[in-house]
Amino acid sequence: DPKIIQKPKYLVAVTGSEKILICEQYLGHNAMYWYRQSAKKPLEFMFSYSYQKLMDNQTASSRFQPQSSKKNHLDLQITALKPDDSATYFCASSQSGTLQNTLYFGAGTRLSVL
Amino acid sequence: GDSVTQTEGQVALSEEDFLTIHCNYSASGYPTLFWYVQYPGEGPQLLFRASRDKEKGSSRGFEATYDKGTTSFHLRKASVQESDSAVYYCALSVNSNNRIFFGDGTQLVVKP
Repeated sequence: DPKIIQKPKYLVAVTGSEKILICEQYLGHNAMYWYRQSAKKPLEFMFSYSYQKLMDNQTASSRFQPQSSKKNHLDLQITALKPDDSATYFCASSQSGTLQNTLYFGAGTRLSVL
Repeated sequence: GDSVTQTEGQVALSEEDFLTIHCNYSASGYPTLFWYVQYPGEGPQLLFRASRDKEKGSSRGFEATYDKGTTSFHLRKASVQESDSAVYYCALSVNSNNRIFFGDGTQLVVKP
């Protein structure tokens, strides 16, 4: 059974709309992350959260907003969607936010913006 | 800035061939280096890591040695199998927040 659940697996949206990508982890981890993988760029770090607090943010656009309602949840809200936002978004988690801890990735949500 | 360069975009081999995927890095500090593997429809998973110069990481027959002098972390396997077909990413991190920089990835195709 997957320990990091991302929903939905596939998502199609129209330009200008808003979507929420869901991520739940059942590994008992305290740190969670979002990464993005697009056709034009390699896997890119977006955000890291530790104990539900933002630790690191490498996303320039405020259209991307992580939401952590519970310790094991880190959803990603994307507003005013653009075609360039089309990518696979990976959620990940680790025991803590330090480098010694292995990152575990979910299977991803593939977003297509038309 | 911190970055990783993988020379090969795609590698095609036959079973039992020797594999080398080249990885060179550029980092402001003393990075931790990683190799990740990604199978179709899945997220990346860690193969192994190395944190110190001359440290060798290894897993499932794959290995790489951290070389600070040549800023390299080349992935090698003596005898590949069809099941090794996947995308391999070299990666690094220089801070303590698990912000990892990934290379472009190398698609490995192993024919039976």
